[in-house]
Amino acid sequence: QSALTQPPSASGSPGQSVTISCTGSSSDIGTYNYVSWYQQHPGKAPKLLIYEVTERPSGVPDRFSGSQSGNTASLTVSGLRAEDEADYYCSTYARDNNLVFGGGTKLTVL
Amino acid sequence: EVQLVESGGDLVQPGGSLKLSCVGSGNHWMSWVRQPPGKGLEWVAKIKPDGSAKAYVDSVKGRFTIFRDNAKNSVYLQMNSLRVEDTAVYYCANEDHYRLGYWGQGTLVTVSS
Repeated sequence: QSALTQPPSASGSPGQSVTISCTGSSSDIGTYNYVSWYQQHPGKAPKLLIYEVTERPSGVPDRFSGSQSGNTASLTVSGLRAEDEADYYCSTYARDNNLVFGGGTKLTVL
Repeated sequence: EVQLVESGGDLVQPGGSLKLSCVGSGNHWMSWVRQPPGKGLEWVAKIKPDGSAKAYVDSVKGRFTIFRDNAKNSVYLQMNSLRVEDTAVYYCANEDHYRLGYWGQGTLVTVSS
């Protein structure tokens, strides 16, 4: 159960857009449309941002969007705000009904 | 809105045991996810609403057991043969089609001599 690969850090200025990638394999991201993204502020529990690659739960701003190409999923945050500074994790279905997470990306708003 | 509350985290010696509890499980698949201090998230285990199916990450197989008591609206994680590397904040979360929609606040497990 190898972890998904995310860049350790990303950054952008307020109002800009930033995209975070999440690379898996043909056994997980490349086959199943079950990629989710989570936002975690320091000392807090993770919060679901995106599920099934592109879907947003009720209450999540449309500044957050997801996409996928082949074995790589991406999270784009548009119109960056100071409160978007947080850690972001991707996850997806893995074999044997398991879940696997990416290593996380720390997003800094400059 | 689903509310989940974990408890049971503590300081325990290597080789020891601990049982974590999570209240608020409802009629959902439930997962435990852990986060070592300063590190990323790791999915640990999951259980079907009726308890008939379970899954574990390889590193805890044979040591951890997930189970639930639906009458008490609770899910549990029995952790045996604990190792230093099991030190983490443990979260419970409800799962729907491989997405974790609601999370508890977490409970800290520290394995140290």
